[in-house]
Amino acid sequence: GENVEQHPSTLSVQEGDSAVIKCTYSDSASNYFPWYKQELGKRPQLIIDIRSNVGEKKDQRIAVTLNKTAKHFSLHITETQPEDSAVYFCAARAGTALIFGKGTTLSVSS
Amino acid sequence: DSGVTQTPKHLITATGQRVTLRCSPRSGDLSVYWYQQSLDQGLQFLIQYYNGEERAKGNILERFSAQQFPDLHSELNLSSLELGDSALYFCASSVAPGEGQETQYFGPGTRLLVL
Repeated sequence: GENVEQHPSTLSVQEGDSAVIKCTYSDSASNYFPWYKQELGKRPQLIIDIRSNVGEKKDQRIAVTLNKTAKHFSLHITETQPEDSAVYFCAARAGTALIFGKGTTLSVSS
Repeated sequence: DSGVTQTPKHLITATGQRVTLRCSPRSGDLSVYWYQQSLDQGLQFLIQYYNGEERAKGNILERFSAQQFPDLHSELNLSSLELGDSALYFCASSVAPGEGQETQYFGPGTRLLVL
């Protein structure tokens, strides 16, 4: 079945810096890759997603890139702010289910 | 607010007991997914229902079962509970598991503590 690896597990940046989180997946049939942000004790919230027919997608300070050949995708956050501090999960859709990476705890210090 | 509701918010019970978690999907969503989130395992997919029928199964234990009712709400039943079942249980819903309709919206979760 699908397996999703996510790195790094923790990431600390200064406010205004960029943050990059990388994920790899194993199932070449996966065609949908969402990213979720989860604040402590709250629900995961979708922040951006990309489908396999697109190589890059951007939404304000957040962008996602997808390399189908290498089977990896990345989340880029520019001009980070303290409110970006949270756990970020990548996922890949295998069949109809989402398989999640183990998460990256992002800390943005001011 | 995602529009997905879950009850109860918190549940404390003892080993060996049985509990039922309830989820109501967003209006118009036909698919319901259940996930377990524990500290060491992250978000694990358990099971999916689509329009009342089981659609996909993940790492769901035999002690766990689920169903989706005609009004599309879903229940996750956990029996013979063990300490290791303590976790956050999330429900998510989507319109349908198809191209362009697969965005999953998560509910607030049920925190289960087994003592």
